[in-house]
Amino acid sequence: GAVVSQHPSRVICKSGTSVKIECRSLDFQATTMFWYRQFPKQSLMLMATSNEGSKATYEQGVEKDKFLINHASLTLSTLTVTSAHPEDSSFYICSAPDRTYNEQFFGPGTRLTVL
Amino acid sequence: GIQVEQSPPDLILQEGANSTLRCNFSDSVNNLQWFHQNPWGQLINLFYIPSGTKQNGRLSATTVATERYSLLYISSSQTTDSGVYFCAPKGGSQGNLIFGKGTKLSVKP
Repeated sequence: GAVVSQHPSRVICKSGTSVKIECRSLDFQATTMFWYRQFPKQSLMLMATSNEGSKATYEQGVEKDKFLINHASLTLSTLTVTSAHPEDSSFYICSAPDRTYNEQFFGPGTRLTVL
Repeated sequence: GIQVEQSPPDLILQEGANSTLRCNFSDSVNNLQWFHQNPWGQLINLFYIPSGTKQNGRLSATTVATERYSLLYISSSQTTDSGVYFCAPKGGSQGNLIFGKGTKLSVKP
């Protein structure tokens, strides 16, 4: 199957700082990537859809000015949490569909803790 | 949007036992995946199964799209099978997956 990586795997930061998370498709190109958020003991919820060469599409209730998404190449999408606050602490996971757009593959996730 | 319900929410098994996890969805789908989320949070692809039956070792899955459900069978369970199992049909407006709440499986030695 396709491989998706994420970096960093874990980050702890102070309130008010910005954090950048990278999502890479390692062995395939992805014109679309998805960013999900998972709170403890809950399911995955889509935050936004990242499209290479165009603006991201955000789900209702997700602040686009707070969660900046940049899909600069066919293998890299970044999510920047700006001015992070404790309520932004969560597990952030990206995914990318394979060439057929049938099966999606997930990165290992980034655990963000804002103090 | 599409609603996904998984049952049971929690399942405790003795090693070696068999189990069936169920996923019901509210609308017709042509794409569905099963995942295992391990204790470190990694989502592992188990099956891409829009319809029919597939088997991979001790695991198998069946989707009956016309009746809007999918089943995941785990036979001869092992402690390493512990974790959360998610069913996720492709039903979002962006082509994204919609996740159920998952089934938390604990396999005891």
